[in-house]
Amino acid sequence: DAGITQSPRHKVTETGTPVTLRCHQTENHRYMYWYRQDPGHGLRLIHYSYGVKDTDKGEVSDGYSVSRSKTEDFLLTLESATSSQTSVYFCAISNGRVKQPQHFGDGTRLSIL
Amino acid sequence: AQKVTQAQTEISVVEKEDVTLDCVYETRDTTYYLFWYKQPPSGELVFLIRRNSFDEQNEISGRYSWNFQKSTSSFNFTITASQVVDSAVYFCALSEAETSGSRLTFGEGTQLTVNP
Repeated sequence: DAGITQSPRHKVTETGTPVTLRCHQTENHRYMYWYRQDPGHGLRLIHYSYGVKDTDKGEVSDGYSVSRSKTEDFLLTLESATSSQTSVYFCAISNGRVKQPQHFGDGTRLSIL
Repeated sequence: AQKVTQAQTEISVVEKEDVTLDCVYETRDTTYYLFWYKQPPSGELVFLIRRNSFDEQNEISGRYSWNFQKSTSSFNFTITASQVVDSAVYFCALSEAETSGSRLTFGEGTQLTVNP
């Protein structure tokens, strides 16, 4: 299994609070991704990173920011959480070659009350 | 823009039945890759198969087989003699060669329930 660790695995918080999710990899892959999974939508890309300090937006990036200060860590931050951000969040990694599959972490279930 | 459609939201079968999960995609790229992932009730995403746009050969792996047809932009997945352990959500996904970072576009997923 690909070495991907997401933390925390579960979190419940209140509207308006900041939240940071962490993705840690041990594969030294260049690319890292954050997706959210919601019923009826499959997985949708929030942000991705193609190297240290290099990030770009995905299709549902509003309300989220990311940072990557080290190859192994990719942080997703909700500056002021809203109930619409209640979701399951998945981190994925890839060596960046389009034909190679992305490998996913186990997910973080985030509930915003 | 790329798009993946899995029109079957839920499928329920009885064990040992064959079942086909449909996937239709849209892309303007001539080079692209298609994937299937499985998400069992435990929640993790498991990679099943990758197919590139230049290889239309069907593939079989045990009870699993995949039918890729560029003419209909489809990449369907068949499970033969289904088992209860096949119960999961199955996602089809597309990655375009021209898209930086090999980002994936997912379909909405098909919930497969195999009843004993």
